[in-house]
Formats: sequence, C-alpha cells, structure tokens
Amino acid sequence: EVQLVESGGGLVQPGGSLRLSCAASGATFSSYWMSWVRQAPGKGLEWVANIKQDGSEKYYVDSVKGRFTISRDNAKNSLYLQMNSLRGEDTAVYYCARGYTGMLYWGQGTLVTVSS
Amino acid sequence: QSALTQPPSASGSPGQSVTISCTGTSSDVGGYNYVSWYQQHPGKAPKLMIYEVTKRPSGVPDRFSGSKSDNTASLTVSGLQAEDEADYYCSSYVGTNNYVIFGGGTKLTVL
Repeated sequence: EVQLVESGGGLVQPGGSLRLSCAASGATFSSYWMSWVRQAPGKGLEWVANIKQDGSEKYYVDSVKGRFTISRDNAKNSLYLQMNSLRGEDTAVYYCARGYTGMLYWGQGTLVTVSS
Repeated sequence: QSALTQPPSASGSPGQSVTISCTGTSSDVGGYNYVSWYQQHPGKAPKLMIYEVTKRPSGVPDRFSGSKSDNTASLTVSGLQAEDEADYYCSSYVGTNNYVIFGGGTKLTVL
C-alpha cells in the first residue's frame, strides 16, 4: 500500500517562507514522477509543480515560478516544496501526489495559510 | 494557461446516468490522450477515477467511464449511487513545459 504523508504547513506572514515535505512509503519512490497540487479554500484543484524521477527535470505553474522550488531525496523517499515570497493567494491545502498524467496516490494534504 | 471548462453542477437520480464534460483546446485535451478524472468528497483528498481518457484504476467501478472527442472529454457515471455525490475534476497534460491543468470542477448531486 502506497502512502504519502505531507507535513510542514502552517500560518506564515506574507513574504515569508515555508518548506513542505512529503514522506512516501510502500513503493519504489525513485521510479515515479511526483507532483504538488494545491486547493485554495472552497476552490478547485491547481497543479503546482512536478519533478522527474532523478530530479533532473522540474516544471512549475507560472504563478509560482521563481518563488517555489520542488526537490526530492530518493534516499529518504521524500519530496519537498520550498515556498518563498509567499502571498495571500498561496493559501491552500497542498497535496503531494505520485505521477502527473494520472495521479493515483495522494497524501492527505497540509494547510498553508498566508496572512498577517 | 487557462483552466479546462466544466459545468459547475450536474445531477441525476439513483440508477440514472449522468455525463460531465470537460472542454479544452487542441493544445491540451485535443492534443494528447492524457485526460484524467478525479473524484473528491468534502474534506478528502482527490481520488483517481479515470486516466488516459478511458482507463480505470483497479478498484474503480465500471459504472465510471471516460471518452474524448476533439477538444472535449467526458466522464459518464452510470447507475448513479448515493456515494457518487462528490466534486469531479478533469485534468489534462499540456505538452508545453510538462504542464498539467485542471478543470474548475463539477459538483455532482444524486437527487
């Protein structure tokens, strides 16, 4: 059984930083692309970023380019999202998910609130 | 990149069929066979129901089916059941920069 568990969310002031983590278990983490997807309160899903198996390719939605960085540590079966220069519109539940063209496994999500 | 277009709501009675549309462009839905559908119940993580337009992951009932014509993909739920009431999101791969876009979501109500 594949499990993804996010952590690191919380309340942060505008302009601040936060690092999200996603711990994976139950499958060969290093064999899959991984993604971050977010959902603002009461809104729909928005893909944020994805990363290739070996970390050599990373892609981002335009609204976070230059502010967010996706990374992974295959030795630790972990995915990360470093979020800098946070804005109110970044407030959302952030999910990690396996793959990107058909995300079969999702974490439970971690809430990020950007507010003063 | 604009979101895919879905109707905000859909409904049907138990046992009936309902179809949810997802309209994009030739750069996303129409250009690739990488359309997925997700079901989300309140307060829960999304669940993959359909991938690569028509394929069902193991464990998803065959009451759920997907299709595509030109720039529009569709999810059909047959034999509606109370537990099908949820939000449904389509997504598509966009070749440029390995992008992924979602639809705005459709709230399915079982009357």
